[in-house]
Amino acid sequence: DAEITQSPRHKITETGRQVTLACHQTWNHNNMFWYRQDLGHGLRLIHYSYGVHDTNKGEVSDGYSVSRSNTEDLPLTLESAASSQTSVYFCASSGLANTFSTGELFFGEGSRLTVL
Amino acid sequence: GEDVEQSLFLSVREGDSSVINCTYTDSSSTYLYWYKQEPGAGLQLLTYIFSNMDMKQDQRLTVLLNKKDKHLSLRIADTQTGDSAIYFCAEKGPSGGYNKLIFGAGTRLAVHP
Repeated sequence: DAEITQSPRHKITETGRQVTLACHQTWNHNNMFWYRQDLGHGLRLIHYSYGVHDTNKGEVSDGYSVSRSNTEDLPLTLESAASSQTSVYFCASSGLANTFSTGELFFGEGSRLTVL
Repeated sequence: GEDVEQSLFLSVREGDSSVINCTYTDSSSTYLYWYKQEPGAGLQLLTYIFSNMDMKQDQRLTVLLNKKDKHLSLRIADTQTGDSAIYFCAEKGPSGGYNKLIFGAGTRLAVHP
């Protein structure tokens, strides 16, 4: 079965360190997204990609970067982790909307990041 | 700009109906979605409605859409303890065939005996 997986599921790091969260999908979806989930804010879009070598900033992109070198992977990098980046991070992917699909998002299980 | 709002908490008795409400601002939204998040898990699509529909029913779930007021609701009939979760309303942005979804903050549904 096709799926979307994130790793690590839990990570604790220190302020100032670089952190990379991995996201891998086997749906062959063109669209991939990173969200962060915080209490009271719901899901906020960090970065997204509509295909290989395409990346776009979301509403809370400062301090984060992504790269898309193939269809399956969209790693999220925190260049210099800050305590404000303590959160749960969700990766998602989607195909194009067509007659058979609304193009809904499929989510990974999440990565809980704690920055001390 | 795009914004989706929903109440943060709802408590219901097992067997009663639950109604979760959502308002959105983008009148050009093509699809509106309800996602369910169980503890420690990612979000899963529960149901959706196309913007030219007023109502959609799927077993115990009923979605109502009032485009004039930009109001979306999810009714769960005969609510069970397994329905306890966070429910997110989301709208699909006006970007054609792509899927940039805007989410609300989520409504935590607590079902008690």
